[in-house]
Parts: sequence; structure tokens; C-alpha cells
Amino acid sequence: KQEVTQIPAALSVPEGENLVLNCSFTDSAIYNLQWFRQDPGKGLTSLLLIQSSQREQTSGRLNASLDKSSGRSTLYIAASQPGDSATYLCASYGGATNKLIFGTGTLLAVQP
Amino acid sequence: NAGVTQTPKFQVLKTGQSMTLQCAQDMNHNSMYWYRQDPGMGLRLIYYSASEGTTDKGEVPNGYNVSRLNKREFSLRLESAAPSQTSVYFCASSEALRGSPREKLFFGSGTQLSVL
Repeated sequence: KQEVTQIPAALSVPEGENLVLNCSFTDSAIYNLQWFRQDPGKGLTSLLLIQSSQREQTSGRLNASLDKSSGRSTLYIAASQPGDSATYLCASYGGATNKLIFGTGTLLAVQP
Repeated sequence: NAGVTQTPKFQVLKTGQSMTLQCAQDMNHNSMYWYRQDPGMGLRLIYYSASEGTTDKGEVPNGYNVSRLNKREFSLRLESAAPSQTSVYFCASSEALRGSPREKLFFGSGTQLSVL
């Protein structure tokens, strides 16, 4: 059974700190991995999509890496700001199961 | 830019009532999806549509029906609502087909549904 796990479930950091969010997955034959942001009461916004042939993607202060052999992805946020406070979810499409599986997210709070 | 638009945003139903959730996208995407989000369970796929007139069941299709009216619109119908269908429902779309490495999802803002 394909599983996607995000630890920790919640994280609080002071403004300006660099931080890393973790995502692990059990299906190494993934087609892609996506990182999303979800604000309270809102839908998901796609941040970065890493295709299976890629190792990382960058957008502004965000950098996501993918290591299929270890079943891990990380989302690096540089110089965090209060506006970055949200829930961050990862999702991977498993080649073995043909399903897009979402993690349950990490709730990030950036303190001013 | 509207993106993916869902209506209504909130709905309260009594057990046994029916309703239709509407979704429309203006990005000319082929793929459209309906998900439900429940605490501690992540998002789960209800139905998927690769193109107008085609639909496929996802992980949790029981109790739901869908209709892909045209390329823009994908509706989700609850024929006889049950308390277990209390959830937040999201519509999404993608330019790529399901399972493609390029499958980037764009989500609507969701419908919070309570079934009493």
C-alpha cells in the first residue's frame, strides 16, 4: 500500500529562519511529486511539481528536492515570512498503484 | 483569472436530501477531478474525468455521481446524502492526463458540506 507521510504535523519558527519540511513516500516508482500550500478555508495551491526524471525544482524562496531511492522529498523555504504560515502538503503519484496519494500536511506558523 | 470555480461554498443537508456541486474551469484543461478532504485522512479522489463525456471512479465513489457536461464543467451529485458524506469537497483540473509526470493540479476553493 502506497503511503505518504509528513513529519512533523506542526512547526513554529521565528520570522527570517530557513526551514525544511519533509515528505516520505513508500512507492519508489513514483511519476511525480507535488508540493501544495493550503490556507485556512481555502483550496490547495500548487507550489512545485517535480517529475520523476528531475531531482529538484525552484521557485523564488522555495526549493523542493526529490530522492526516489530513499523515498524522500524536502521543501526548503528560505528567509521565512509570516505570510508563509499555512499548511503544506505533498502528494506523489505512485507507479505501482496508479494513484495520487496526499500526505496529511505540516501546519507551519511563522512568528513575527 | 478565475481558474477553478466551485459553488456553493457552504451547504447543510438533511440525511436523504440530494444536491449537486458545480465546478467550472477556464484554463482549457482536459482533466478534472473531485476530491474530498477529511481530517487525518488527506485528500481522496472521488471521480476523475479525462475529457468530455468520460468519467472514472476514484478511491471513494460510493454515494456519488458525476457529469462532465463539456470541457469546462464537471459536477458532483449526491443522490441521498448521508452523515458520512460530511466533508470538504474540492474540484481540481489539470492540463495533463492523470498519471502523467506533468500532472499539475489546480484546485478550487472548496465546498464545506454538512449532512445532519
